[in-house]
Amino acid sequence: ETGVTQTPRHLVMGMTNKKSLKCEQHLGHNAMYWYKQSAKKPLELMFVYSLEERVENNSVPSRFSPECPNSSHLFLHLHTLQPEDSALYLCASSQDRAGETQYFGPGTRLLVL
Amino acid sequence: GENVEQHPSTLSVQEGDSAVIKCTYSDSASNYFPWYKQELGKGPQLIIDIRSNVGEKKDQRIAVTLNKTAKHFSLHITETQPEDSAVYFCAATFSGGYQKVTFGIGTKLQVIP
Repeated sequence: ETGVTQTPRHLVMGMTNKKSLKCEQHLGHNAMYWYKQSAKKPLELMFVYSLEERVENNSVPSRFSPECPNSSHLFLHLHTLQPEDSALYLCASSQDRAGETQYFGPGTRLLVL
Repeated sequence: GENVEQHPSTLSVQEGDSAVIKCTYSDSASNYFPWYKQELGKGPQLIIDIRSNVGEKKDQRIAVTLNKTAKHFSLHITETQPEDSAVYFCAATFSGGYQKVTFGIGTKLQVIP
């Protein structure tokens, strides 16, 4: 609907697993974002990519590793996560880094056991 | 950095009544204030926005007001309908240069038929 798709929509993983979240935008945007959404907290910006270059990393633990192979795709690689990492992970895109309006995907609901 | 406070955290109204959600921001440099609606199982979607050179903006049943002096802005929904039930987020940022968007904590609106 918004032009931003995310897969998988739901993911359950153990603390020793390795998994990846995928995001694809069909809007021709140049900037992409990963957010973490937890209950009763504001959206937390994790990473920003502009023209495939990482331009922001908000003190995110190294167990989260982003990858942006081109301006339409964004991945979040997950490794040895903790239960407190369980949350909804949202991908968004905007026209460029200064883009005011961000278009969000539906999110991946992650549960870490 | 910017800090956005939003209240109430939950709001229940009867169908047909009005709903008001209020936000305050801390950074006087912020000049762009979007509002997002997040329905169950979906990502946030922009519903209306306002810039600092405007005091009020309206789009059908939705309106937003901005008081720059007091640094607060509000979302007004009139003639509420069950499909208005969702979580609403306010946000603030500086438009014209890269600055991350700071989101409020969200308001869960329930419209009772």
